[in-house]
Amino acid sequence: GIQVEQSPPDLILQEGANSTLRCNFSDSVNNLQWFHQNPWGQLINLFYIPSGTKQNGRLSATTVATERYSLLYISSSQTTDSGVYFCAVGAGTYKYIFGTGTRLKVLA
Amino acid sequence: DAGVTQSPTHLIKTRGQQVTLRCSPKSGHDTVSWYQQALGQGPQFIFQYYEEEERQRGNFPDRFSGHQFPNYSSELNVNALLLGDSALYLCASSPLGYEQYFGPGTRLTVT
Repeated sequence: GIQVEQSPPDLILQEGANSTLRCNFSDSVNNLQWFHQNPWGQLINLFYIPSGTKQNGRLSATTVATERYSLLYISSSQTTDSGVYFCAVGAGTYKYIFGTGTRLKVLA
Repeated sequence: DAGVTQSPTHLIKTRGQQVTLRCSPKSGHDTVSWYQQALGQGPQFIFQYYEEEERQRGNFPDRFSGHQFPNYSSELNVNALLLGDSALYLCASSPLGYEQYFGPGTRLTVT
């Protein structure tokens, strides 16, 4: 099955800093989503991005499907950005396979 | 427009017991998927329901079963609970094959 790897596993930033989170996947996919999991466990949709580039405020994402990776950019980070960021991919089937996540802590 | 809802929020059960978790999908969504998330890990796919049938199943034993009702809501049943079943159980809904939206989860503790 498809393997999904996320890096870095942990990240600590000062408020206002920028960061890039990476998601590598081992095979072709037709669905890809980025989520932010808050401390209460809620998975919040950030981007549905099987290919191309999208932006939403301070967040943007790029997926290069032919090279099997996706990037999530966070600019001017805020303490409320803290949490776990997951990449999840789907490949022709109906299930999503999640990566192990990047744990982000933003310090005031 | 209500999002995905799940009940109950928290649940404590004893080993060997049975549990039923419930999920109502987002309006307009006909597909429901269930995931198990152990502490410190990413969610793991349990199964997906579409048109009241189990469409795909992950690597989970038969103790895990489900159902989808005509209104697209769904239940997850777990029999003969083990300590290792303690986890956050997440329900996701989507229009078939597209973006998934997750509910707040049910936190199950097995003692």
